[in-house]
Amino acid sequence: EPEVTQTPSHQVTQMGQEVILRCVPISNHLYFYWYRQILGQKVEFLVSFYNNEISEKSEIFDDQFSVERPDGSNFTLKIRSTKLEDSAMYFCASSANSGSSTDTQYFGPGTRLTVL
Amino acid sequence: KQEVTQIPAALSVPEGENLVLNCSFTDSAIYNLQWFRQDPGKGLTSLLLIQSSQREQTSGRLNASLDKSSGRSTLYIAASQPGDSATYLCAALGGSYIPTFGRGTSLIVHP
Repeated sequence: EPEVTQTPSHQVTQMGQEVILRCVPISNHLYFYWYRQILGQKVEFLVSFYNNEISEKSEIFDDQFSVERPDGSNFTLKIRSTKLEDSAMYFCASSANSGSSTDTQYFGPGTRLTVL
Repeated sequence: KQEVTQIPAALSVPEGENLVLNCSFTDSAIYNLQWFRQDPGKGLTSLLLIQSSQREQTSGRLNASLDKSSGRSTLYIAASQPGDSATYLCAALGGSYIPTFGRGTSLIVHP
């Protein structure tokens, strides 16, 4: 069964450094998402992406964040200057459609980001 | 702003029991309500998705119901097994198709 993959599984970085989290969505999906989950907290929506553009973003997704689909398979989340509070689990998801109440998002296993 | 609450926060039961997990949401203007399972250190697996026009969905031993007017959804797990041990999350899909998640119910089913 096709699945969403994410690399790396765990990333440790120093405060102020840039990190890029990578995701390979399911191949025929058109909509891509990033979420984060701070330890012990709720899963929070960050951004959705379609047709090489951001569709929606939350208030968390400020200027230090950016997303990109650099080629036909990868979907990346860049954090420009990491802060301690960026430490969290970051999940990528993809769906075949959006704007549909029947659509299901498929989640990757996550990247645990630790900012020291 | 949508708020999603899940009760109970944690549940420990012996194998074989039937369980009810509760999810409530403050804004009834949702497109759908989705239940996920999350195993420790892992991603989310979609279990059931109920569209706003539907009342319930079933998959195997799982049944999810939705009452939009009262802002509630329940996940019913029949004949629980140790393999059901996980955290169960509900998410309400509202305006702009942005999902709002609850904190989850942590379930342990012991043999």
